[in-house]
This record gives sequence, structure tokens and C-alpha cells, in this order.
Amino acid sequence: IAGITQAPTSQILAAGRRMTLRCTQDMRHNAMYWYRQDLGLGLRLIHYSNTAGTTGKGEVPDGYSVSRANTDDFPLTLASAVPSQTSVYFCASSLTVTDTQYFGPGTRLTVL
Amino acid sequence: QKEVEQDPGPLSVPEGAIVSLNCTYSNSAFQYFMWYRQYSRKGPELLMYTYSSGNKEDGRFTAQVDKSSKYISLFIRDSQPSDSATYLCAMSARGNTGKLIFGQGTTLQVKP
Repeated sequence: IAGITQAPTSQILAAGRRMTLRCTQDMRHNAMYWYRQDLGLGLRLIHYSNTAGTTGKGEVPDGYSVSRANTDDFPLTLASAVPSQTSVYFCASSLTVTDTQYFGPGTRLTVL
Repeated sequence: QKEVEQDPGPLSVPEGAIVSLNCTYSNSAFQYFMWYRQYSRKGPELLMYTYSSGNKEDGRFTAQVDKSSKYISLFIRDSQPSDSATYLCAMSARGNTGKLIFGQGTTLQVKP
């Protein structure tokens, strides 16, 4: 089934640990995005990639890094997790930056 | 002040009611306006997309954009229990079309 997969589905993490959230799409979309969703704040863009090999900062990039080595994968890394990074993380993709964004099922992350 | 403001609700209506969901924004550069629907523990999915001002209708759903007032609306006619979800408005500016700015989301419950 075509779409976006995210892993893990949920994770509890100790503060200070390193964590990579995985995102893979099989739609051959050029653009990919990472958002976090927090109660009362909606979805906020963390990082984006317009095409493989390029990345950019979104609204809330601090504490996160991304890479885009190929078209399909767009991992998000928390180098040293902090409790304020407790959130639901959504990966999205679009054919180009002007096209509809399709969202993955999300990863629920709790940092203690 | 957030660039996009949305009343978080919750909003509870009887089946068959007309529902009005609204967002206001402050950035006059926004040109592209979207409504996403998000079911509990799922990723958002695009419901309506509008460019610039005007109305757009799709079945029971109507999206309105009033750029002079910096105000957008989503109307749901003959609401159904299956419409119970969180509705998020999102918008972007020309030249930054991939960088969506979301409202906080409004939770809607349609009671049978």
C-alpha cells in the first residue's frame, strides 16, 4: 500500500538519550516534512526537505536534526532528548512544495 | 500572538446541524488556505484547498476565504457522527508554499 510509514509508533525515552524517528514514503515525492503536534499549539514545522540532498529549518528546529540521503527516507534525530520534546511527531510528504501534503500516522514520544 | 488563531472548542452539535469552523490570521502574505481533518490518533488528511479569496464547495463542505478580513471558514452541512474529528486550518505564503502554518485545531463532536 502506497503511503508514509513512521517508526516507532510510540517511545518512552530518558532525558539525555539520542533518538532517531524514521519516516519512509513510497510515493516518489520530492518534498518531505517533520511536524510536532502539541495540545493547544497545533502542528508546527520542525524541518523540511524540498528534494533529496537538501534540508531547511522550519518554525521550531532547535534540538532536532534531519538528513535526506535519498528520496524515500527522512529521519529526524534528537541528539540529546529533553522533556519539552515530548510530543506527537508527524512526517509528511508532497510531490513538490506546491502540492498537497500527505501525513504519516505519527510517533508518540515521551521524554522523562 | 500566533500567526494563525483557531478556537480549540470543543464544539458539540446534534446530527444534521450546520457547523461553522473559523480561523483568523495576521500575515497578509498568506495566499494558500487549507482545511485538514484529523481523527483521533491518526495523521491529518487534506479536506479542502483554496487559493486566495472566494468560496469552494465539495459535497457537504464549503470553504470560504476573506482576505480583506484575514478570516477563513469551513462550513459542514447536514453534519454526521462520522464528521467527529479535529479540524485544522493551515495556510502558506507564495514562495513558501511548503511551509504550512497551522491553527491550533477545533475538536468537533456530532452527536447522533
